[in-house]
This record gives sequence, structure tokens and C-alpha cells, in this order.
Amino acid sequence: NAGVMQNPRHLVRRRGQEARLRCSPMKGHSHVYWYRQLPEEGLKFMVYLQKENIIDESGMPKERFSAEFPKEGPSILRIQQVVRGDSAAYFCASSPVVGTSFVEQYFGPGTRLTVT
Amino acid sequence: AQRVTQPEKLLSVFKGAPVELKCNYSYSGSPELFWYVQYSRQRLQLLLRHISRESIKGFTADLNKGETSFHLKKPFAQEEDSAMYYCALSGGTSGTYKYIFGTGTRLKVLA
Repeated sequence: NAGVMQNPRHLVRRRGQEARLRCSPMKGHSHVYWYRQLPEEGLKFMVYLQKENIIDESGMPKERFSAEFPKEGPSILRIQQVVRGDSAAYFCASSPVVGTSFVEQYFGPGTRLTVT
Repeated sequence: AQRVTQPEKLLSVFKGAPVELKCNYSYSGSPELFWYVQYSRQRLQLLLRHISRESIKGFTADLNKGETSFHLKKPFAQEEDSAMYYCALSGGTSGTYKYIFGTGTRLKVLA
């Protein structure tokens, strides 16, 4: 099992361009989470998705950010019209199930987005 | 608001010395507390959680509800312990899946 895969590992975009970050969960995992880590800060929850459903997007900025997890293929975090403040490391995690008790989330290596 | 505070950005100790990485939290409800570790060029991975009460790689962490702390300790540091350590909580009013992370402490173990 290769673990959670994220690509690209590094992404450079100019202001105003779009950024697409991809996350393939571990085999057998149907729950995906995205976190953002701004410089000098901890990871912050953005969104929780199951296949074809957004369960909780309470951490997503209201504009320009969207996420999806289609029936086939990886989860995508999309940032439109990027600004310098979007420069950060974006981490994806996955888990097999979610319930009332703890379920470990397995993290990917992250995508470092730099906006110039 | 739920929050995790790690007051030290960097902690340097000599090999064989005791280590304590501090973590304080504020919460609503009954959170679970965790320590995650990120070794150089590796991904974030779970080190331990308070409910399991186990020792991993010689590290332990005790939840102190009175002081709202969950400090990570190891009696004798090893060079391979050098890494970034993150304290996190989940649960309470945030739900079991939503982790709240501290800003992390970089541990450097000197030879």
C-alpha cells in the first residue's frame, strides 16, 4: 500500500492563475480530508469529503476554493485566481471509516503551493 | 474556541537528556488528544493518543485535565528523535474527524 499520494509535490502559480491539487487516498479508504498549513502555523482543517459528497467544508474560505472527490479518480482541491496569501502547504489525509470513536487519519506528503 | 498551544518552536537537548514537549489546549466537550511526528522528508504520522495510554519509541504523554495539558515526555533522548512534533485534538464540538493542530515544536537532539 503506497499510502496517501499527493501531486504535485510543488506547484508554482502566478497571481490570478488556478491551482489544482490532487490527492489519492490509501487503498480501501473512502474518506478524505484537506488541511492547510500557512507559514509558522499549524495545520488547519479545510474540508472533509466522502465519495461524491462534501460532508464538512466549514474550514474552506468562502470564495475561490472548492473541493471534490468523484466516484472515480482522486480528490481535487481547486483554488481559483490564486493570491500570494494562498502560498502554503496543503495536506491531504484519508481514513477508512468515520464514527463516534477515533479513526486514525493517514497523511500524504503535502503539496507546497507558491504564488508569485 | 478550541485551540492547541505549543509554546516552543524549537527545543534542543543533548543525547541522553530528558525531553518534554509542551502542549496546552482549550476545548468544549470531551476531546481526544494526540501527538503527531514528522521526521525529515517523511509524512506526518501518529505517534500516540491519550486514550491508548501506551509508550511509543519511549515517549509517553499524560492528559492533565486540570491544567489542560498533554505534554510529551521521554526520559532519554536519542538522535533519531529529532523531528517536528505536533500536538492535536479532535472531538468535542468539532467532531471526531476534525483535527486541530498546534504550531509544532522542532526537537533537535544533539550528539
